[in-house]
Formats: sequence, structure tokens, C-alpha cells
Amino acid sequence: DVKVTQSSRYLVKRTGEKVFLECVQDMDHENMFWYRQDPGLGLRLIYFSYDVKMKEKGDIPEGYSVSREKKERFSLILESASTNQTSMYLCASTLRSASYNEQFFGPGTRLTVL
Amino acid sequence: DQQVKQNSPSLSVQEGRISILNCDYTNSMFDYFLWYKKYPAEGPTFLISISSIKDKNEDGRFTVFLNKSAKHLSLHIVPSQPGDSAVYFCAASVDNYGQNFVFGPGTRLSVLP
Repeated sequence: DVKVTQSSRYLVKRTGEKVFLECVQDMDHENMFWYRQDPGLGLRLIYFSYDVKMKEKGDIPEGYSVSREKKERFSLILESASTNQTSMYLCASTLRSASYNEQFFGPGTRLTVL
Repeated sequence: DQQVKQNSPSLSVQEGRISILNCDYTNSMFDYFLWYKKYPAEGPTFLISISSIKDKNEDGRFTVFLNKSAKHLSLHIVPSQPGDSAVYFCAASVDNYGQNFVFGPGTRLSVLP
């Protein structure tokens, strides 16, 4: 059974703190994604990665960075957390192939920045 | 400017009746569409997809219809069950290899017993 896991389900941090969100997939997928989900806005892409050491900006990368040192792990970093980064963060992965494949999502991390 | 729109934030349907969730898109280059279902405190799960070369795809109680000229797709659930109560996201892609999708804002479906 395919699995995407995220390090924390709930996280509370203070403004200015550095925050690490970890995502691990066990499906040997090349592509990994970080989204944030906000009411009325759906899922917005922050960053994605097609391979180890590779990263691409999504639609809303400001205030975030990522790291992909191993194929199975994709980390999202908030360098200096702000209250407007309070959100649900979702990690996803998918195979890279010549045909379309759905993304598999983790359970999400609800981050609150005080 | 949202490229994928779901204009109904919520929908309530009686158990056993049909649920119709709508999605509109603006980018005519989109050629693959998916529907995801999301329960609270869980990640979205894939439900059904359709390629732009088709106008209908069916999987059990779920059918997706695509009208390319109107840039519109819809998800039909027949018959609706209380367990279908969730948020449904429409997603679209024009990326052949990255599987990079643009998601709509979601519609919350409530199926009433």
C-alpha cells in the first residue's frame, strides 16, 4: 500500500522561528510536491522537485525553501515563520512517466504560527 | 486569477439522490483532469480522472463529464451516500511529465441521511 507520511500532524510555532516540515514517501516516486491549503483557495503549490537535489518554485514560494537530499524525503522550510503562514500543509508524490498519474498525498500538517 | 474554478463552495444532497459537482477552467491547454476527495484531517485521495480526448469516464457510482468547448467538467455521484460527505477538489494539468496540477478551491458536499 502506497504511503506518504508527514512528520507532524499539528505544529504550533512562534513568529520568527525556523520551521521544518518533513515528508517521506515509500513508493520510489521521482516527483514530490508541497502545497498549502487555505479555505476558499484550495491547494496552492509552494515548491516541487523532480529529482534529488532538484527544486522548482511553485505559485507561492515566498517565505519558503525546500530540500531534497534523498529521493524519498522532501523537506519544507519556513526560514522565519510569520502568522500568515498559518495553514494546512500537504505533501504529495507521483511517478514521473509518459502518462498522467495521480498524486498521492500525505495526511497534512496543520501549522499555527503565533 | 484562478485557472480552475469551483463556484459552489458547498452543496447539500439527500441520501440516494444525485450529487453534481461542477468545475470550470480558463486554460485551454489543460488536457487532463482529476477529482480528489478530502475528509477532515486527512490528505486528498484520488477519485477519478478524464483525458481531454474523452468526454465521459465512469467508475462505479462516479462519472466525470468533460465539455471542452465550454471548458467545463462535472462530477456526478449516483446514488449519493453519507460517506461521500467530504470536500471535492477539481484539478487540471498541462504538464506531461511532471504531473503538476492546478487545483480548484473545492466544494464541500454534505449528503444528508
